[in-house]
Amino acid sequence: GAGVSQSPSNKVTEKGKDVELRCDPISGHTALYWYRQRLGQGLEFLIYFQGNSAPDKSGLPSDRFSAERTGESVSTLTIQRTQQEDSAVYLCASSKRAGGVNTQYFGPGTRLTVL
Amino acid sequence: GESVGLHLPTLSVQEGDNSIINCAYSNSASDYFIWYKQESGKGPQFIIDIRSNMDKRQGQRVTVLLNKTVKHLSLQIAATQPGDSAVYFCAENIRGGGSQGNLIFGKGTKLSVKP
Repeated sequence: GAGVSQSPSNKVTEKGKDVELRCDPISGHTALYWYRQRLGQGLEFLIYFQGNSAPDKSGLPSDRFSAERTGESVSTLTIQRTQQEDSAVYLCASSKRAGGVNTQYFGPGTRLTVL
Repeated sequence: GESVGLHLPTLSVQEGDNSIINCAYSNSASDYFIWYKQESGKGPQFIIDIRSNMDKRQGQRVTVLLNKTVKHLSLQIAATQPGDSAVYFCAENIRGGGSQGNLIFGKGTKLSVKP
């Protein structure tokens, strides 16, 4: 079956512009996660969604970052007024549910470059 | 193989040798552990998992060892090949979940295989 997909694969933008990153989770997965990964570093948790529950936004670095998810399908991560320090790979993952023994499956990521 | 600071530690091995990547986890309530492999330009890929009621699990050329006494996890790769070159992340699931969804990720270790 299809894995997690993300688009675009690469995004170059100018400082101050808004960007939207898209994630399509594995069908049937109720949990969806966003991470940021700076060059040569580990995974930085941003936000996760579990079904229709309120998302856990505890990892969002500033109010310029927001994310939405429609039901148990597509999610969009929006970064407003982008800054150069936002340059990173943004990874999305999904799992059957959050909590318990659940493996997260990752998409290929979106590489964001802010000039 | 421990991760410190902002940059990933690197483990260099000769092709054909065995590799051991280590990870210290933080929470004694963690009940499930996963190793991920991330190749350059790709998202993390599931390799192998282990539940806390086990101390060893084997896959194809990989073995995960769990020592709950000292909260230590290791990934052993037999007969390391150039295709094993990647960054390896451990992740733990804390029983009852919490922030960051269900998994807490380590900072990663870069494995470099010399031909």
